[in-house]
Amino acid sequence: AQTVTQSQPEMSVQEAETVTLSCTYDTSENNYYLFWYKQPPSRQMILVIRQEAYKQQNATENRFSVNFQKAAKSFSLKISDSQLGDTAMYFCAFMSTMEYGNKLVFGAGTILRVKS
Amino acid sequence: DGGITQSPKYLFRKEGQNVTLSCEQNLNHDAMYWYRQDPGQGLRLIYYSQIVNDFQKGDIAEGYSVSREKKESFPLTVTSAQKNPTAFYLCASSLADRWGEQYFGPGTRLTVT
Repeated sequence: AQTVTQSQPEMSVQEAETVTLSCTYDTSENNYYLFWYKQPPSRQMILVIRQEAYKQQNATENRFSVNFQKAAKSFSLKISDSQLGDTAMYFCAFMSTMEYGNKLVFGAGTILRVKS
Repeated sequence: DGGITQSPKYLFRKEGQNVTLSCEQNLNHDAMYWYRQDPGQGLRLIYYSQIVNDFQKGDIAEGYSVSREKKESFPLTVTSAQKNPTAFYLCASSLADRWGEQYFGPGTRLTVT
């Protein structure tokens, strides 16, 4: 079974600075999807960014970008120009393209606090 | 506005009682999911359904039951067989072939005493 590991339980960053959240995963598959989800204090989860494993190019969504290292099975999230509204728990998630149901497997999450 | 609604936001029950959590979506999504979130843990999948009248067990289905009689609705029943039912429950939905891009409801906090 696939596993997702987020080794940083908590992080903090100053407003306007850049922060990188780490994620590693374990799989024997060659094609799959990776995601970052954000859960703000309201607790409603929001999709931040997605990456398809067969694409070499790292995904970018405005201030959010990923560093996808397939060989290392690493999928980090970089947040540039951090804003107070970025304060949230961030979850890394993996989805197989082979298993029936294409289920998401989540990491334990990283709490990010943006300080003014 | 399109979205997912979960009700109620907070729910309290006595041990030994079954309780049903509501989840409705008007996004015309094919698939719906139920997750459980405990402190310090990621989301764990309880049940999911990709089409009406069909659903599959997730990783922690014991003590839970679901139904999918309508595309818009996917209620979750927490039965008295669930040993540790106190948790935050999240419902989500997605389009077919975009299974990983899930839209979440605001969640229900269930407390059983």
